[in-house]
Amino acid sequence: DTGVSQNPRHKITKRGQNVTFRCDPISEHNRLYWYRQTLGQGPEFLTYFQNEAQLEKSRLLSDRFSAERPKGSFSTLEIQRTEQGDSAMYLCASSSADRGGWTQYFGPGTRLLVL
Amino acid sequence: AQKITQTQPGMFVQEKEAVTLDCTYDTSDQSYGLFWYKQPSSGEMIFLIYQGSYDEQNATEGRYSLNFQKARKSANLVISASQLGDSAMYFCAMREGIRDDKIIFGKGTRLHILP
Repeated sequence: DTGVSQNPRHKITKRGQNVTFRCDPISEHNRLYWYRQTLGQGPEFLTYFQNEAQLEKSRLLSDRFSAERPKGSFSTLEIQRTEQGDSAMYLCASSSADRGGWTQYFGPGTRLLVL
Repeated sequence: AQKITQTQPGMFVQEKEAVTLDCTYDTSDQSYGLFWYKQPSSGEMIFLIYQGSYDEQNATEGRYSLNFQKARKSANLVISASQLGDSAMYFCAMREGIRDDKIIFGKGTRLHILP
């Protein structure tokens, strides 16, 4: 069983550009989550999907952010008109019902640097 | 108010010694879950252990155990026989209620294992 994968692992972009990240969850996990982690902090929840439905979005997810999960498999997170404050690690996680209470398994993350 | 409090920003421990990482939480829900994750310098969040609020026994996973004291709202992680590879950031996290929409993380503790 392969783990959660994320691409790209690193992204450097100029302020104002759009970026898109991809997350492939563990196969058959029906829930997928996006988190953002800034330096020295724990991850903060952004949004999550159950299958293809986006069920919750954090206030952290401004209008410049959009996430999709077509067909309930992989997910993309797009940031439009990037700002320097968007520089962070973007983590994806997936889960399904198990004895561990819907334990979320994380991918390696995408490090974004906005210049 | 912080939901998850980790009071130790950093710890230094001699190899092979046991180490306890502190975590206190705040919730008014009767049903909740507590997690510990390890984050090495590579950035990936590695799931270590889970404790449900109704679990009567403390959770254990290999060298990891969770010292769950419900009345004190405490969920400390104990690592027995520490190894050099245990050097990493450790995050305590909580899922509130019976819904699994997000995990709330603490700010983490950086653990250094000394040879």
